[in-house]
Amino acid sequence: TQLLEQSPQFLSIQEGENLTVYCNSSSVFSSLQWYRQEPGEGPVLLVTVVTGGEVKKLKRLTFQFGDARKDSSLHITAAQPGDTGLYLCAGDTSGTYKYIFGTGTRLKVLA
Amino acid sequence: DTGVSQNPRHKITKRGQNVTFRCDPISEHNRLYWYRQTLGQGPEFLTYFQNEAQLEKSRLLSDRFSAERPKGSFSTLEIQRTEQGDSAMYLCASSLNRELFFGEGSRLTVL
Repeated sequence: TQLLEQSPQFLSIQEGENLTVYCNSSSVFSSLQWYRQEPGEGPVLLVTVVTGGEVKKLKRLTFQFGDARKDSSLHITAAQPGDTGLYLCAGDTSGTYKYIFGTGTRLKVLA
Repeated sequence: DTGVSQNPRHKITKRGQNVTFRCDPISEHNRLYWYRQTLGQGPEFLTYFQNEAQLEKSRLLSDRFSAERPKGSFSTLEIQRTEQGDSAMYLCASSLNRELFFGEGSRLTVL
């Protein structure tokens, strides 16, 4: 049973378009992370958010943690083919560093 | 190479056989995690350790799965009497704070 639901499940867009990926749960998280995974590799951390309402930017990526710490979003501006991959959110509900991953969003950016 | 190392990278076995995977974490990391991932899905939590102590094991795991981390260094994940449903990528990650560093995974195929 996944505590974290991501949407959309799949996304195929043209280079230069903007997109938003959502991560939702009924549970409150002490911290939430976003990872990107490429085929044949393990996930790589993009960002960690811990405070409700927090916004973090990483170049063209903007991450937001919901005020109630139950949801998060990832917005990509002017997507590039190099952004292609599986985007995963992961949350810790208990403050014990046990991270549960979301269902994943597979992004494909076409040149 | 100071990253997380997993062996073997690929394992093909017949149903009913036992398999063991090994994970060597980043040396100063005190937490070690095991996840299972099927194609296109997010990693599913299996278990995690802090030093040599196993903090939690997923209730989804049957008694056929066991993990150890003797001396708080490397870890092994053993699957007894494998079933076709065990076919998946088994990911190991280690951590010192909130960031999880993943290995490249061990892919299991049960025939």
